[in-house]
Amino acid sequence: GQNIDQPTEMTATEGAIVQINCTYQTSGFNGLFWYQQHAGEAPTFLSYNVLDGLEEKGRFSSFLSRSKGYSYLLLKELQMKDSASYLCAVRAPSGGYQKVTFGTGTKLQVIP
Amino acid sequence: ETGVTQTPRHLVMGMTNKKSLKCEQHLGHNAMYWYKQSAKKPLELMFVYSLEERVENNSVPSRFSPECPNSSHLFLHLHTLQPEDSALYLCASSQDLYRGADNEQFFGPGTRLTVL
Repeated sequence: GQNIDQPTEMTATEGAIVQINCTYQTSGFNGLFWYQQHAGEAPTFLSYNVLDGLEEKGRFSSFLSRSKGYSYLLLKELQMKDSASYLCAVRAPSGGYQKVTFGTGTKLQVIP
Repeated sequence: ETGVTQTPRHLVMGMTNKKSLKCEQHLGHNAMYWYKQSAKKPLELMFVYSLEERVENNSVPSRFSPECPNSSHLFLHLHTLQPEDSALYLCASSQDLYRGADNEQFFGPGTRLTVL
């Protein structure tokens, strides 16, 4: 089975840096996704990691360590609009296809 | 229109009603998904389709009945629902189910369902 853990809530200050962690235990592994979901809206894709290391995309970076079953999403120069839930999702082979399983999400509140 | 659209955006129904949720994707994708999102729970995968063929039925009660007439459209037919079925129902699509590359999912805005 798949198990994905993220903190439920985090608070950070505008302009600061925040790191959202995700740990997973899965049968097989074929990539990890991060999505952002604003309240009342659809999740939107942020990043994808399949190899170990850091992927940078502007203010957002995502890190993966496959041996540790660990990833983090790093948000720099926080803005008020970054207040949202951040979903970690792992893809693994299951039943003949690549199945994506989501964590519960981390609700980030950015305060002035 | 672009992306993934869902209708209706909000739905209130009684336990004896029958209603349908509709999803349409304009991305040329081959895979489509239904998810249920409840407060403080992870996104729950309900059904997966690849080129109109159902690939997964994730132990979903029979009061939820999916239909995929073509690779661009996905329906979720609802009947005799329970109050605990109240949730946000999200549709998503991706290029296909079998790629090993990024192949991220694109989500629709969801239908907020309330069962009285």
